[in-house]
Parts: sequence; structure tokens; C-alpha cells
Amino acid sequence: EIVLTQSPGTLSLSPGERATLSCRASQSVSSNYLLWYQQKPGQAPRLLIYGASSRATGIPDRFSGSGSGTDFTLTISRLEPEDFAVYYCQQYGSPPYTFGQGTKLEIK
Amino acid sequence: EVQLVESGGGLVQPGGSLRLSCAASGFTFSAYGMNWVRQAPGRGLEWVSYISSSRSTIYYADSVKGRFTISRDNAKNSLYLQMNSLRAEDTAVYYCARRNIGFDIWGQGTMVTVSS
Repeated sequence: EIVLTQSPGTLSLSPGERATLSCRASQSVSSNYLLWYQQKPGQAPRLLIYGASSRATGIPDRFSGSGSGTDFTLTISRLEPEDFAVYYCQQYGSPPYTFGQGTKLEIK
Repeated sequence: EVQLVESGGGLVQPGGSLRLSCAASGFTFSAYGMNWVRQAPGRGLEWVSYISSSRSTIYYADSVKGRFTISRDNAKNSLYLQMNSLRAEDTAVYYCARRNIGFDIWGQGTMVTVSS
């Protein structure tokens, strides 16, 4: 099983700042199968990034993904008020299709 | 509109059974693999099971293997999860999600509570 470890657990920033979220895998993940989601309270997750670096439909360009192998990063260039949420990475290249434990992005 | 709608959740006693359904609309259901993902209260996301478009490939998380069964009816545009021998730790919101380039479409979820 591929274990995904996200850091930090909580990130406190202000609107307008840059956010950098990390996802580290216990073994190599094909970049094609690395995803990032945003989840707000009471809502289903929303796909942000697929293939480690491609934005999903309708996702603003302030969201970007990068990385390969075992280290992946989600960057939000300038935080908007609506970006404060929980973010998850996921791999679906090798079953079980594991998620990271999440990073909570909160307003400072 | 592309949409997934789950149903069938509720309160069940430990050891009991429940069958969840996920109704798809707005896309060609038979062309896509489908997943179940769950989220315990206040916890993170946990992938539960996957079924390919033709039903030829099925995967389960170890935590549910032998107790849960995923299935689909492409003629009815529906995905199912039969859950047997339910435990307190199965309490969660259960989401169905389409596998495309990523899990791109999710339902709103259905709550399953396992308690006596």
C-alpha cells in the first residue's frame, strides 16, 4: 500500500499570501495518477489537479501542482477567501487508492 | 447536467447490512469506472472500492474486503455497495465518484451510522 503523508497538518495564512502544501509518498507514484482535491465543510471533495500538474475543468490558474516520484506540491499563488478549506492528495495508480490525511488551510 | 446521487444510508445495528445506491445521469455511465469513498465524522477521506466500466476489474480496501461488495447495472445507470457485517468503524458519509482523469465527479454523499 502506498502511504501518502501531507504536511503541514494545518497552515495558517492570510488572504493574498502564497500557500505551499506537500504530499510525500512512501513509494514512487506515477505522476499520471496523483490528484489534489479541495473539500469544504458539508461538501463533497472537488477535483483541483490531476496528473500531478494539470488543472481540472473550471479551476482557477492560481492553483498549480508539481512534483514527481515521491514528492508532490500544491501551490496556491494568491489566497482568496474561498480557498480556505481542507486539501487532500490521492494516488490511484496502484490499489488501494490511498488519500493523504489532509492539510487544513485556515485564515490567520 | 452531470450528476451522481447516492441513497440508501441510515442507522443500522452492528452486524447488520445495508445496500447503498448511486444513480448517475448526464453522462454515459457504462463508459466509466466508478468508486466508493467514505469519510468518518471529522476524519479524512478513505477509498473503499472500485469497479471498472465492464465489471471485469474490482478492488477493495483491506478494511472492507470480504464484507462489502461493489456492483453496477449499466442498463440502469446505477452503482451499488452491499455492506454486510457492519461495524461501528464503518460509520461515515459514503460518496460515489466517477473515475475519469482523476475522480472528477462526486455525489453529495449518504450517511451510514452503525450503532446499537
